[in-house]
Amino acid sequence: SQQGEEDPQALSIQEGENATMNCSYKTSINNLQWYRQNSGRGLVHLILIRSNEREKHSGRLRVTLDTSKKSSSLLITASRAADTASYFCATDLANAGGTSYGKLTFGQGTILTVHP
Amino acid sequence: ETGVTQTPRHLVMGMTNKKSLKCEQHLGHNAMYWYKQSAKKPLELMFVYNFKEQTENNSVPSRFSPECPNSSHLFLHLHTLQPEDSALYLCASSQEEDSIYEQYFGPGTRLTVT
Repeated sequence: SQQGEEDPQALSIQEGENATMNCSYKTSINNLQWYRQNSGRGLVHLILIRSNEREKHSGRLRVTLDTSKKSSSLLITASRAADTASYFCATDLANAGGTSYGKLTFGQGTILTVHP
Repeated sequence: ETGVTQTPRHLVMGMTNKKSLKCEQHLGHNAMYWYKQSAKKPLELMFVYNFKEQTENNSVPSRFSPECPNSSHLFLHLHTLQPEDSALYLCASSQEEDSIYEQYFGPGTRLTVT
């Protein structure tokens, strides 16, 4: 099975509510990244968390990382209709002292729909 | 999205055609990538180039042939494709910083093989 798996596969909420998406992975990572994709478009980098970090914030985004459970979560607070998109986690497996040349492994994504 | 451009945005080709996808990055990055995104499947990494050298070929069939003439341009040459190759092909670039590669994606080429 895949390195990164998100759940839920789909999430539907009302504007103003918070949205939480989870990502699980199987092997040790150097860092984990979250990306957003609007329908049929390219991916946009949202936030990155390194393996030695536990939580990071960026605007309305909060990402957590639990390396003991090999899981991460992305929280979007006070959601807006414009947040409607697919969200992907991506893991970078490079070990300390090595390089992956950015070889990221993506999960299947969570489709978020925010209703106005 | 203007940092990484891809042409064409849409392509319809027959199984006997030869076509090429083009990617250009204007960000001064040293790594470029080709990904394939099919419906209901995770994004699949196809090729990685670092300083114009191919560092990853993820078991991609030979009917896909990449070319990286310089750090700003990346091509994907296509020939004798199959209908199952229909997908969104995404190009990305990144610049290593403290062992971190944050990737910038182009808008993609929607490929349909008939």
